[in-house]
Amino acid sequence: EAQVTQNPRYLITVTGKKLTVTCSQNMNHEYMSWYRQDPGLGLRQIYYSMNVEVTDKGDVPEGYKVSRKEKRNFPLILESPSPNQTSLYFCASSWGGPPYEQYFGPGTRLTVT
Amino acid sequence: AQTVTQSQPEMSVQEAETVTLSCTYDTSENNYYLFWYKQPPSRQMILVIRQEAYKQQNATENRFSVNFQKAAKSFSLKISDSQLGDTAMYFCAFKLHTGTASKLTFGTGTRLQVTL
Repeated sequence: EAQVTQNPRYLITVTGKKLTVTCSQNMNHEYMSWYRQDPGLGLRQIYYSMNVEVTDKGDVPEGYKVSRKEKRNFPLILESPSPNQTSLYFCASSWGGPPYEQYFGPGTRLTVT
Repeated sequence: AQTVTQSQPEMSVQEAETVTLSCTYDTSENNYYLFWYKQPPSRQMILVIRQEAYKQQNATENRFSVNFQKAAKSFSLKISDSQLGDTAMYFCAFKLHTGTASKLTFGTGTRLQVTL
């Protein structure tokens, strides 16, 4: 089954404790992206990757890191989480060209206390 | 930069009725794609329908159809014969046709409640 997986689905952590949210896709997609969803703001892009070893900042990259060592995996790293990073996070992937449909993972609910 | 506006934070419709969700966008470009995504209580983002700006014909997918007005920069979603399973948050999204993948620009969403 074609899918994007994320782990964990739920995470409660404390300020400053490094964490990683994993993302994996089995569709051989070139493009992968991380979004965060906050009430009243919709989804905003954090980082994206056009292919292996090619990553770039989205609209809200502060406080996040990513890496793309393998085509299928695109982990999101919070090295020193803060309460303002409490949010719902989505990983998405797509082919490199039209029709640009993005396939989303199930989401990770992160709470930073 | 492109922006997407959904002016209806919440809507309600009775089962079997028809409802229309509004979306407007702002761009100076001519070639782009528009999407409606559904987010049910499970939080999964599900593509409902897609429209290519160069196509004049409005896209339809079963009970879901769009009214695409390019000059007015409007992209509304019509849900016919509403079902309880249509209860969800609906997001409108925009993507420039650049030839390569890049971010989707999302609206703030409309929460739709389908009632008995």
